Amino acid sequence: GAVVSQHPSWVICKSGTSVKIECRSLDFQATTMFWYRQFPKQSLMLMATSNEGSKATYEQGVEKDKFLINHASLTLSTLTVTSAHPEDSSFYICSARTRSISNQPQHFGDGTRLSIL
Amino acid sequence: GIQVEQSPPDLILQEGANSTLRCNFSDSVNNLQWFHQNPWGQLINLFYIPSGTKQNGRLSATTVATERYSLLYISSSQTTDSGVYFCAVGNQAGTALIFGKGTTLSVSS
Repeated sequence: GAVVSQHPSWVICKSGTSVKIECRSLDFQATTMFWYRQFPKQSLMLMATSNEGSKATYEQGVEKDKFLINHASLTLSTLTVTSAHPEDSSFYICSARTRSISNQPQHFGDGTRLSIL
Repeated sequence: GIQVEQSPPDLILQEGANSTLRCNFSDSVNNLQWFHQNPWGQLINLFYIPSGTKQNGRLSATTVATERYSLLYISSSQTTDSGVYFCAVGNQAGTALIFGKGTTLSVSS
């Protein structure tokens, strides 16, 4: 089946550091990837939609200059949290959908737990 | 945007009991998925079920798209079934999934 790999799975870093998270589709091409954020005991909230070769679309309230998204190929999207602060600590998870097939399930990575000290 | 409501928010069961989780959505959908999030945060895809009925072992799901709801059935529950169950829907091709708030299931032995 379709596999989405997310790396790293866990990051602890100091306030002010920038952190890059990778999301890869291992065995299929993904024209679209999605980035979600989940705070403790809450649901997943969409942050942005990442389209290969074009600028990401951000949800209302998500700072595009803080959460930089790059989708340079059909198998890789990256999320960079710039100048991270403790309030950015969260669980970040990506998903991808198969290229050019409309009604197909989305496949999720295992998530990245980010802790900013 | 589309609204997704899950019930109940919390469910406590004894091992061996059966349960039904419900997901209501406010608009027509072309994607509906049920997930189990384990204690490590991994989202395990249980069913892709925008309509109809599917079964996988002790789990089954039914979506009645015309009435805008889906049900997840868990039979003979086990302690490993504990965790949060999410329903997520999409109503346009290629768009992101919108998640409900989840049902937290606790199964005790």
